[in-house]
Amino acid sequence: IAGITQAPTSQILAAGRRMTLRCTQDMRHNAMYWYRQDLGLGLRLIHYSNTAGTTGKGEVPDGYSVSRANTDDFPLTLASAVPSQTSVYFCASRATSATDTQYFGPGTRLTVL
Amino acid sequence: ELKVEQNPLFLSMQEGKNYTIYCNYSTTSDRLYWYRQDPGKSLESLFVLLSNGAVKQEGRLMASLDTKARLSTLHITAAVHDLSATYFCAVDGQNAGNMLTFGGGTRLMVKP
Repeated sequence: IAGITQAPTSQILAAGRRMTLRCTQDMRHNAMYWYRQDLGLGLRLIHYSNTAGTTGKGEVPDGYSVSRANTDDFPLTLASAVPSQTSVYFCASRATSATDTQYFGPGTRLTVL
Repeated sequence: ELKVEQNPLFLSMQEGKNYTIYCNYSTTSDRLYWYRQDPGKSLESLFVLLSNGAVKQEGRLMASLDTKARLSTLHITAAVHDLSATYFCAVDGQNAGNMLTFGGGTRLMVKP
């Protein structure tokens, strides 16, 4: 069982370009999340999805969009990347029971120049 | 709005010493989680605390939860270098988004 996979591992992107970060989980968890982690700012929630077909905005959603076409996949799209979106992005998932912990993917390191 | 605060933010300690990391949160919850993050790595689940008075131990780490005080502690006993990492607590505010709110993290450095 792989848990959560993210792709790419790292990416350097020119400002203004469109980019999709991929996240796939094999645990059949209903809830999935995207966070960004920046030095000194901890983990900040970007978007979440409680179940396939639904999404919601987190703390810092501007400039990002998500979709949840099925249970396993939760891609994050930057429509037009800006340097302030340089960060490490973590995808996470959680079981429906809600007493379960969140499980995190390995992360994507994104640099926008 | 749920707020979660950890202290200290940074902790440098000698091997063999004991210390405690504190996690305070602002609204009622009986679900609290601790994670460990090594430099350049992802977050790994350490403890799940689901009731007032819950105590969990793993090796030199022990976590506890006091829901009335809205406080969780992560106690380190006889620290070793391998415990050097950043530790995060997270609280389930039992909101509609089924989300966790994370503290800012405590960076622990254990010196030989």
